[in-house]
Amino acid sequence: GENVEQHPSTLSVQEGDSAVIKCTYSDSASNYFPWYKQELGKRPQLIIDIRSNVGEKKDQRIAVTLNKTAKHFSLHITETQPEDSAVYFCAATRSSNYKLTFGKGTLLTVNP
Amino acid sequence: DVKVTQSSRYLVKRTGEKVFLECVQDMDHENMFWYRQDPGLGLRLIYFSYDVKMKEKGDIPEGYSVSREKKERFSLILESASTNQTSMYLCASRRDENTIYFGEGSWLTVV
Repeated sequence: GENVEQHPSTLSVQEGDSAVIKCTYSDSASNYFPWYKQELGKRPQLIIDIRSNVGEKKDQRIAVTLNKTAKHFSLHITETQPEDSAVYFCAATRSSNYKLTFGKGTLLTVNP
Repeated sequence: DVKVTQSSRYLVKRTGEKVFLECVQDMDHENMFWYRQDPGLGLRLIYFSYDVKMKEKGDIPEGYSVSREKKERFSLILESASTNQTSMYLCASRRDENTIYFGEGSWLTVV
């Protein structure tokens, strides 16, 4: 089955700096890669996703890149703000009717 | 707006009790999931269902079972609760390859 590795487990940055979180996956058939943000005490919520036919996707300060050959994808947050502090999860899955496997999460702390 | 509702937010049960965690979604989604979240271990899949009465084991199914008699409802059952099942349980749903939506979570303590 799919195995998703996520690094680092914790990340501390100064406000305004960039943050990068990296994930690798094992199943070459995976074709959908979402990123979720979970604030303390709340449910995880989708912030951005990418499909295997695209190499990069951007949404304001957030971007995701995908390298299918190397089987890794990354989340990039620019100009970080204190409200970006949360746990971020990457995930990978094949097509529909298939399980979604998550990484173990990264606790991002943005210091004012 | 998609709604995934977990009926019980906080439960305290005794060892050996049978526990039911209920989840309902209102968007006619085919896929539903039960995850368990523990510090440092992330979100681990217990079971998922891709249609009514259809279920597949996830990564940690031992000690759990599920029921999906209707499309909108997916129940997680702990036949005989144990202290190592103390955790936060998250239900989720999605249609096809699209966004997965999570419920608020159910905090279960087994004493």
